[in-house]
Amino acid sequence: QSVLTQPPSMSAAPGQKVTISCSGSSSNIGSNSVSWYQQLPGTAPKLLIYDNNKRPAGIPDRFSGSKSDTSATLGITGLQTGDEADYYCGTWDRSLSAGEGVFGGGTKLTVL
Amino acid sequence: QVQLQQSGPGLVKPSQTLSLTCAISGDSISTNSAAWNWIRQSPSRGLEWLGRTYYRSKWYSDYAVFVRSRITINPDTSKNQFSLQLKSVTPEDTAVYYCARDLSDYGDCMDVWGQGTTVTVSS
Repeated sequence: QSVLTQPPSMSAAPGQKVTISCSGSSSNIGSNSVSWYQQLPGTAPKLLIYDNNKRPAGIPDRFSGSKSDTSATLGITGLQTGDEADYYCGTWDRSLSAGEGVFGGGTKLTVL
Repeated sequence: QVQLQQSGPGLVKPSQTLSLTCAISGDSISTNSAAWNWIRQSPSRGLEWLGRTYYRSKWYSDYAVFVRSRITINPDTSKNQFSLQLKSVTPEDTAVYYCARDLSDYGDCMDVWGQGTTVTVSS
């Protein structure tokens, strides 16, 4: 069972908007930055959002992130078939020693 | 750009030691602004952070509690790479293993990942 909680699956039609939630606690999301990753089948995760709401170079502004208290959200607008992937949130939990990386269980996004 | 290239065996026998290496290009393992992580992924356990090594005037290593008794992550500055050793493996350690860089100035996000190595623990 993952430390961070995400919905296992979501679906939406092309062109629509979807928001994926990530719930944690005061020791992880509540006190650290959240990152979001996209994983296409058979590939390594790819960074989509860092520091709660920032996009790396090359990531379109259709992807956005936000954080409030112990929860974070990934938003995707103008859905495309190429967005069909697994999405993971990640952060650090510093309640244990120097801190440990923690992830959500992943959300499988289907673009119908 | 920064790239991470993983190497190591894909099959390990139970009770033996799993050993993987991650070669870094485009950055220095001794940088003060990054850490070098190992993460694994399996269908039953999802993404699991295993540990990391980093240099901040001296070398440090942090490990996940659930593997702390079995894991070692070492830097190799002469080859600009780092390694993972996981002792006494069981079939539960079967997973895809990734190395990744995390940037302290960017919320400790994992911005670069290796290609992944599928490791099967079986006799």
